[in-house]
Amino acid sequence: DQQVKQNSPSLSVQEGRISILNCDYTNSMFDYFLWYKKYPAEGPTFLISISSIKDKNEDGRFTVFLNKSAKHLSLHIVPSQPGDSAVYFCAASGSNDYKLSFGAGTTVTVRA
Amino acid sequence: NAGVTQTPKFRILKIGQSMTLQCAQDMNHNYMYWYRQDPGMGLKLIYYSVGAGITDKGEVPNGYNVSRSTTEYFPLRLELAAPSQTSVYFCASRLAGGRGELFFGEGSRLTVL
Repeated sequence: DQQVKQNSPSLSVQEGRISILNCDYTNSMFDYFLWYKKYPAEGPTFLISISSIKDKNEDGRFTVFLNKSAKHLSLHIVPSQPGDSAVYFCAASGSNDYKLSFGAGTTVTVRA
Repeated sequence: NAGVTQTPKFRILKIGQSMTLQCAQDMNHNYMYWYRQDPGMGLKLIYYSVGAGITDKGEVPNGYNVSRSTTEYFPLRLELAAPSQTSVYFCASRLAGGRGELFFGEGSRLTVL
């Protein structure tokens, strides 16, 4: 049972424009959410996170928005750059939970 | 800055063979994890450990075993390899406590023929 869902397998965006990646979750016990970025032949690397006590967290070009009532979060990348071309995974965990549950990933391609 | 180191990076196994994927971290992280990544399926947790001598099953533990005798090492054992175990395996670690992010190794690509 997939508790974290990324329904868009891929996204193509022009350089300089905004990339919006979406993630939905079903487990109401989740209270911490993370985004990871993965290049081919490398392991995932942490990008940005958000706690359920917030609805927005920003780090440079990356902003994550959380809508708890809708059990939905999104990652905005502005402006998109060629180096942003990668697979992005959404992940979530609950309090006192040692584990992260991951979504299936969204492949972002930034066109020049 | 070694971080999380996985070996081997690539391996081809015949059905029924066994092997161990090695994982070592030099960050003194208590928590360690093994994930597998299948196309379009994201990362599935196989096993995890919250400290030396303590391991527990994740979502997809069947066909695998782990041990954690020290903080640094967390090997994953595949017994009687099957084609369904063809995947990319990632080892990860993080600090105990808080909500710290996972640090991943570069992955081990395993093919079972």
